[in-house]
Amino acid sequence: QSVLTQPPSVSAAPGQKVSISCSGSITNIGSNYVSWYQQLPGTAPKLLIYGNDKRPSGIPDRFSGSKSGTSATLGITGLQTGDEADYYCGTWDSSLSAWVFGGGTKLTVL
Amino acid sequence: QVRLVQSGAEVRKPGASVRVSCKASGYTFNNYAITWVRQAPGQGLEWMGWISGDNGNTKYAQKVQGRVTMTADTSTSTAFMELGSLRSDDTAMYYCARGQVGDFDYWGQGTLVTVYS
Repeated sequence: QSVLTQPPSVSAAPGQKVSISCSGSITNIGSNYVSWYQQLPGTAPKLLIYGNDKRPSGIPDRFSGSKSGTSATLGITGLQTGDEADYYCGTWDSSLSAWVFGGGTKLTVL
Repeated sequence: QVRLVQSGAEVRKPGASVRVSCKASGYTFNNYAITWVRQAPGQGLEWMGWISGDNGNTKYAQKVQGRVTMTADTSTSTAFMELGSLRSDDTAMYYCARGQVGDFDYWGQGTLVTVYS
């Protein structure tokens, strides 16, 4: 069981938008920055969002991040079949003194 | 361009040790930490710890504390992760990534470690 809770799966049609939630506590999301990673099948994870809402260079603005209290959300608009992947949130947990990942969310673009 | 290139797949028996390397290029190695993350087959990502690129300071996850050693050779810009007393549940893809607290912006290609008797 992960410290951060994500839905196991989400789905939407091409061109639509989807939100992936990441729920934590005051010791992790509530007091530290959140980052998001995309893992395409058979590949290494890729940084999508850091510092709650910042995109590294090269990441399209279809991807966005937000945080409110002890929850964070990854938003993806204009869904493409190439967005089908597993998505992970992560943050530092001050109580555990450890980096923690969510359990991951599988995105299906129908 | 920044690259992290990891060593090849390994097979070990329970109780043995394994050392995985991660050679960095395209940036100043001393300026960034290297974090290690593993992923068991069909499972999620698990943080293992990091090593600072400048002073070699380390931080390990409690789950592997006592069995893992992370080192770095600044002369070759290479980080190493050694895991001992291997068990079957250590079978996983092991990744190195540049960064320390969430800004894991570049990742190695992964090294599959299989533990079986």
